[in-house]
Amino acid sequence: DAKTTQPTSMDCAEGRAANLPCNHSTISGNEYVYWYRQIHSQGPQYIIHGLKNNETNEMASLIITEDRKSSTLILPHATLRDTAVYYCIVRPSNTGNQFYFGTGTSLTVIP
Amino acid sequence: GAVVSQHPSWVICKSGTSVKIECRSLDFQATTMFWYRQFPKQSLMLMATSNEGSKATYEQGVEKDKFLINHASLTLSTLTVTSAHPEDSSFYICSATGERADTQYFGPGTRLTVL
Repeated sequence: DAKTTQPTSMDCAEGRAANLPCNHSTISGNEYVYWYRQIHSQGPQYIIHGLKNNETNEMASLIITEDRKSSTLILPHATLRDTAVYYCIVRPSNTGNQFYFGTGTSLTVIP
Repeated sequence: GAVVSQHPSWVICKSGTSVKIECRSLDFQATTMFWYRQFPKQSLMLMATSNEGSKATYEQGVEKDKFLINHASLTLSTLTVTSAHPEDSSFYICSATGERADTQYFGPGTRLTVL
């Protein structure tokens, strides 16, 4: 029941910015955009989430288009440790609401 | 903050036996916990949602009598795989939300291998 579309895989040079796109053209007004990543054989790690405005934290920046139909996760200076599968998820920010994961983007950071 | 642990991290069992996996929120009270399953090279699949003191809500296609979930306290949920078979071999991951409920925090996962 995933509502997002992401490229299957991407490469990024170490030290450069990694820009990961996500399409969510059917997003509803009360749905937030969440990003998680999963390093091999570990549980997913929360990165960032937003509703309308662009967001930034110590890990990444999230740019959401004005129509909210797509977004981009930016890792400003990718390192080898950022190699992971990145998942973009949309969901209402209410108690008990589930996450349905899509296939995500496998990001490989190249030395 | 917001740390979720799972025990065991891996388990190997014989076909027909039952296996219990624990999920704990270490530094917050988890009003809701979720259980996921992930097969190799696939994404996470939500199995069930559990609220403390209530019966779990299972996703379509997940057998509630096979995957028993107990959420007896605000810091502990357990998943018991009953009469395990080789096709139940998978990576089981739990997550939890606190009072703010705006973010799920995931455990490190438990790898189950059924021989």
